[in-house]
Amino acid sequence: KNEVEQSPQNLTAQEGEFITINCSYSVGISALHWLQQHPGGGIVSLFMLSSGKKKHGRLIATINIQEKHSSLHITASHPRDSAVYICAVRSKETSGSRLTFGEGTQLTVNP
Amino acid sequence: GAGVSQSPRYKVAKRGQDVALRCDPISGHVSLFWYQQALGQGPEFLTYFQNEAQLDKSGLPSDRFFAERPEGSVSTLKIQRTQQEDSAVYLCASNPIEWAGANQPQHFGDGTRLSIL
Repeated sequence: KNEVEQSPQNLTAQEGEFITINCSYSVGISALHWLQQHPGGGIVSLFMLSSGKKKHGRLIATINIQEKHSSLHITASHPRDSAVYICAVRSKETSGSRLTFGEGTQLTVNP
Repeated sequence: GAGVSQSPRYKVAKRGQDVALRCDPISGHVSLFWYQQALGQGPEFLTYFQNEAQLDKSGLPSDRFFAERPEGSVSTLKIQRTQQEDSAVYLCASNPIEWAGANQPQHFGDGTRLSIL
């Protein structure tokens, strides 16, 4: 079982829909990251959180430390949101530096 | 300002050749990470530098992989005697401060897509 699991693997939505991507992890963490990767490879950091909730524009990230679960929500989705969304954790149980990544969720938003 | 820059963007090599991938982190960034991302997968950690010191190389898959950052800025990932399974996107990321003691977002380059024929 991977330390970080995301669902769904693929998600297709119509423009304007509310989108939720889920991330579950099995280790103690010091931080969880949500990343966005566009075709061509570039990765952008969206959120880093260790508790509660963060909001940036149409994006909202929540984390429940007790349940070891995080969600990324996109409100009023748009075709330009189409990308791979990756959850990554900084584990307390490995040597200080590395991030452990989920396999990503491929989001396609159709006009 | 300038972000993390990786070169080349694409590299095609024949099996058995040696390759070198370059990462220019954001100026002044202390921490530098290399990740390997196979097609359809999330990135996997390879190695971590704090300035010129390679503090963690536990993710390097074999002794054919070697990374250096001799002056604490530019880093090179070298793969010797390449194999087809080395085909992947190699991502570099940097962070402004010493990593172990704080939570900070990493700044990623666009990656080098390596194809081994």
